[in-house]
Amino acid sequence: DTAVSQTPKYLVTQMGNDKSIKCEQNLGHDTMYWYKQDSKKFLKIMFSYNNKELIINETVPNRFSPKSPDKAHLNLHINSLELGDSAVYFCASSQNGRRGQGGHTIYFGEGSWLTVV
Amino acid sequence: AQSVSQHNHHVILSEAASLELGCNYSYGGTVNLFWYVQYPGQHLQLLLKYFSGDPLVKGIKGFEAEFIKSKFSFNLRKPSVQWSDTAEYFCAASGGSQGNLIFGKGTKLSVKP
Repeated sequence: DTAVSQTPKYLVTQMGNDKSIKCEQNLGHDTMYWYKQDSKKFLKIMFSYNNKELIINETVPNRFSPKSPDKAHLNLHINSLELGDSAVYFCASSQNGRRGQGGHTIYFGEGSWLTVV
Repeated sequence: AQSVSQHNHHVILSEAASLELGCNYSYGGTVNLFWYVQYPGQHLQLLLKYFSGDPLVKGIKGFEAEFIKSKFSFNLRKPSVQWSDTAEYFCAASGGSQGNLIFGKGTKLSVKP
């Protein structure tokens, strides 16, 4: 079973459209993340949720809105897509805890390749 | 500000050569350190991690890394690389209670058969 699964894996869409990427984890973790990997392979945190509560919200356009219906799911909705949104979006999860007990190991999903044309 | 820097953008080696990829971090307080690998078209996989204890950490596929606190470094090593090690390697750090990872810009490793 895939621990962190996200759908769709590939998405090609036109500028101006609205799209969503879904993410689910079956690890029982309490924290989930969205990372963006740009064309230069640089990875950067976008959002982080802990027990459905937003705890990290980096400088991301308002067109990006995460939604966490429960602690096992964190979906990413993107409005009015732009060419610059083309990237790979990785969902991830972790169980926060004391250091030394695996509390900060983050497990990644397989990525969603978004291409805006 | 918290940051992770990787010195090499692209490393090209022949099979059986030894590998060392540099990673330095800037982090206030305690820090957790990681190396992830991303094979072409694939997702990120954890190679190894350091939380505390023995500063020499062994990971999967024959990789190891050494945490040197005085140098703020966490370099990745492998004695003998294989063609299948061709991938992008990311050093990352986290700290505090949030557990969020900050990544270096990655090092692309190309191994010639």
